[in-house]
Amino acid sequence: GAGVSQSPSNKVTEKGKDVELRCDPISGHTALYWYRQSLGQGLEFLIYFQGNSAPDKSGLPSDRFSAERTGGSVSTLTIQRTQQEDSAVYLCASSLSGSKETQYFGPGTRLLVL
Amino acid sequence: SQELEQSPQSLIVQEGKNLTINCTSSKTLYGLYWYKQKYGEGLIFLMMLQKGGEEKSHEKITAKLDEKKQQSSLHITASQPSHAGIYLCGADKSGNTPLVFGKGTRLSVIA
Repeated sequence: GAGVSQSPSNKVTEKGKDVELRCDPISGHTALYWYRQSLGQGLEFLIYFQGNSAPDKSGLPSDRFSAERTGGSVSTLTIQRTQQEDSAVYLCASSLSGSKETQYFGPGTRLLVL
Repeated sequence: SQELEQSPQSLIVQEGKNLTINCTSSKTLYGLYWYKQKYGEGLIFLMMLQKGGEEKSHEKITAKLDEKKQQSSLHITASQPSHAGIYLCGADKSGNTPLVFGKGTRLSVIA
């Protein structure tokens, strides 16, 4: 079946511009996660959605970052006024439910801020 | 907060050789996940370990969980070029998502 998909696969933007990254989770998965992978760094948690519960935003690095999940499916991660340090691979994952369920990852969006 | 340390950071082995990658946690492990990542791709799920002493195998890859040592090891037997990539371990924080990840081990397999 279809896995997690993300778009765009690559995004180049100028410093100060806003960007939107999209994630389509596996159908039927109620949990959705955003992570960031920077050069030389490990995977860093950003935000977590579980069903209709309020999202866990504890990993967002600044108020320039926000995410929403419409209809319990597709999610959009928005970065406002991008900075060069935002350059990274943004990975989305989904799982059947929350705790103790395997997370399946999308291919990521590679963001480069010039 | 929980931290995961992987060793070695990078590894170069000759095709056919065995190798082991370790993942050590600073806190109790409630669930340990192994993923593999190739350049430009997302993470591919390999195995999940939840119980102390648990051992799982998939093809030539075996992973073990030692709860007392707060450590997991990933062992590859008779390595192949297809095994090359970055291996990442991830752990549940107190049984709740999201996962905390190690920085990865970069494996190269040379003919």
